[in-house]
Amino acid sequence: EVQLLASGGGLVQPGGSLRLSCAASGFTFENFAMSWVRQGPGGGLEWVSMISGDGHTTYYADSVRGRFTVSRDNSGNTMYLYLQMSSLRVEDTALYYCAKPYASGTYYSFDHWGQGTLVTVSS
Amino acid sequence: DIQMTQSPSSLSASIGDRVTITCRASQDIIDYLAWFQLKPGKAPKSLIYAASSLHSGVPSKFSGSGSGTDFTLTISNLQPEDYATYYCQQYKTLPFTFGPGTKVDV
Repeated sequence: EVQLLASGGGLVQPGGSLRLSCAASGFTFENFAMSWVRQGPGGGLEWVSMISGDGHTTYYADSVRGRFTVSRDNSGNTMYLYLQMSSLRVEDTALYYCAKPYASGTYYSFDHWGQGTLVTVSS
Repeated sequence: DIQMTQSPSSLSASIGDRVTITCRASQDIIDYLAWFQLKPGKAPKSLIYAASSLHSGVPSKFSGSGSGTDFTLTISNLQPEDYATYYCQQYKTLPFTFGPGTKVDV
């Protein structure tokens, strides 16, 4: 059974940093590009970032490029997806989901989502 | 970026109704179109990919159609568990983009 468990959210001041984690199991993790998607307070969904299965290629939304860094750990018994967030802004406040695509490769939509971890940026 | 629009933004429907949600892309996305269901406090549920293919375990009451720029999601025989917000997403081009959502309520 595919499981994605996101963690690391919390309250942070503007300009601060936070690292999100997503523990993945139940599938061959290194075969899949993984994404972060966020849902803002208004409810809208925004794709944030994606990393290739081997971790060598990363993609970012313009709104986070230069401030967020996606990475992954394909070793060990538990596989992890990470999102290092820096220079956080109030508009980064959202519920952050990790998401797995339905097939290997870059241009595929998602079949499984984590439960989300809440990031609140406020002074 | 490819812009996605949805209509209506919300709709009210009764148990047993059939509802249709429309999604439009600002440019041709062929069939790189997905639909998701979101409920408060729950992980998003993936319903449809490639415009019309159901993900494993998704009941056949959900159906998708369309190609190019115009797509629809149809929900037949609406049940209480179907009251949620539905989003379309294009994945032909990065950045992947979502529609603004359609809330289905009583």
